[in-house]
Amino acid sequence: QSVLTQPPSVSGAPGQRVTISCTGSSANIGAGYNVNWYQQLPGTAPKLLIYGNSNRPSGVPDRFSGSKSGTSASLAITGLQAEDEADYYCQSYDNRLSGSKVFGGGTRLTVL
Amino acid sequence: QVQLQESGPGLVKPSETLSLTCTVSGGSMRNFYWSWIRQPPGKGLEWIGYIYYTGSTNYNPSLRSRITISKDTSKNQFSLKMNSVTAADTAVYYCATGYDAFDIWGQGTMVTVSS
Repeated sequence: QSVLTQPPSVSGAPGQRVTISCTGSSANIGAGYNVNWYQQLPGTAPKLLIYGNSNRPSGVPDRFSGSKSGTSASLAITGLQAEDEADYYCQSYDNRLSGSKVFGGGTRLTVL
Repeated sequence: QVQLQESGPGLVKPSETLSLTCTVSGGSMRNFYWSWIRQPPGKGLEWIGYIYYTGSTNYNPSLRSRITISKDTSKNQFSLKMNSVTAADTAVYYCATGYDAFDIWGQGTMVTVSS
């Protein structure tokens, strides 16, 4: 059971908008720690998609956006494309675990 | 641009010690956190621990009793040792670096625990 909870799967048609939630608690996201998001394409290493809750690294399309409120965070993908089909993970810290870095369980995005 | 490459045995026997090395190229280890992360087949990501450039370490509490992360700055390498491995430690092991986020990842190396 992951400290951060994500839906196992989401789906959407090309061109649509989808969101992926990441729910934590007052010990992690709610404590003010940043949330980062990663995209893992099949058979490859994860890639940083969003850092510091809502910032995109250079090269990440602005179709991807992140937000945080209270004990939850969200990743939004607009103008869905077939190449977005991947697993997505949120990551933060947890102060109950000696400041350990923690991941969500991951969400599989299927482009219909 | 910093690049990371994991290396080590792909097969480890139960109860033995898993040893992996991550080689850093294109930059130095004089800043950032240097982490190990693993992913069992078909499952999600699990943070194992990190070593800071100062040498301080922080480990996942669930693995702390079995792991050691060290670094050799002169060789631009950092390493993971995990003892008393079982089949549950079978996974792809990634090294990664960054400050708050894991900005850069290695390609990963598959380690199977089996006799």
